[in-house]
Amino acid sequence: DTAVSQTPKYLVTQMGNDKSIKCEQNLGHDTMYWYKQDSKKFLKIMFSYNNKELIINETVPNRFSPKSPDKAHLNLHINSLELGDSAVYFCASSQGPAGETDTQYFGPGTRLTVL
Amino acid sequence: AQKITQTQPGMFVQEKEAVTLDCTYDTSDPSYGLFWYKQPSSGEMIFLIYQGSYDQQNATEGRYSLNFQKARKSANLVISASQLGDSAMYFCAMREITGNQFYFGTGTSLTVIP
Repeated sequence: DTAVSQTPKYLVTQMGNDKSIKCEQNLGHDTMYWYKQDSKKFLKIMFSYNNKELIINETVPNRFSPKSPDKAHLNLHINSLELGDSAVYFCASSQGPAGETDTQYFGPGTRLTVL
Repeated sequence: AQKITQTQPGMFVQEKEAVTLDCTYDTSDPSYGLFWYKQPSSGEMIFLIYQGSYDQQNATEGRYSLNFQKARKSANLVISASQLGDSAMYFCAMREITGNQFYFGTGTSLTVIP
């Protein structure tokens, strides 16, 4: 059983389009995250939800909007896609609440390519 | 200041040898956790090992061990008996007791040579 799953795994789209990435975890965790990994492999936190409540909202364009319908799901919607949005997007989850032992487990990643 | 610093962008090791990947951290929190993740070329992020700041012993998980030196603020990953499948990017990360952030380093690319 996949602990943290993301769909789709690959996403190729044109500039200006709107797209969504879905994430689901079956670990019973309370906290979920979205990260962006650029071409240099740098991981940047974008958002975090704890029990459907937004707790981390880093400086990302407001074209990016997370949505957590329940604590097992955290989706990422991106409006008006730009070339610079091309990256790998990772979903992760952790038991939460925050604490030094709170290990994050990652999904397989979604490789987004904007043409 | 960087919370996590990995100064080795790339490392090479001969198969069956041991290798140490460096990680230093910066925090003033009294309690924190240190983590290592592996990212093979297939792209997934795999959790390897965890070390708590109050743990008396260095963490070990199979061929992975964490050389934790609190006074030096370092948490180096040691991989013993390297295998070809160990070739990957390795990320060091830290979580402080305060706040919700997970801080990642820039990663070290390890190549195991046959």
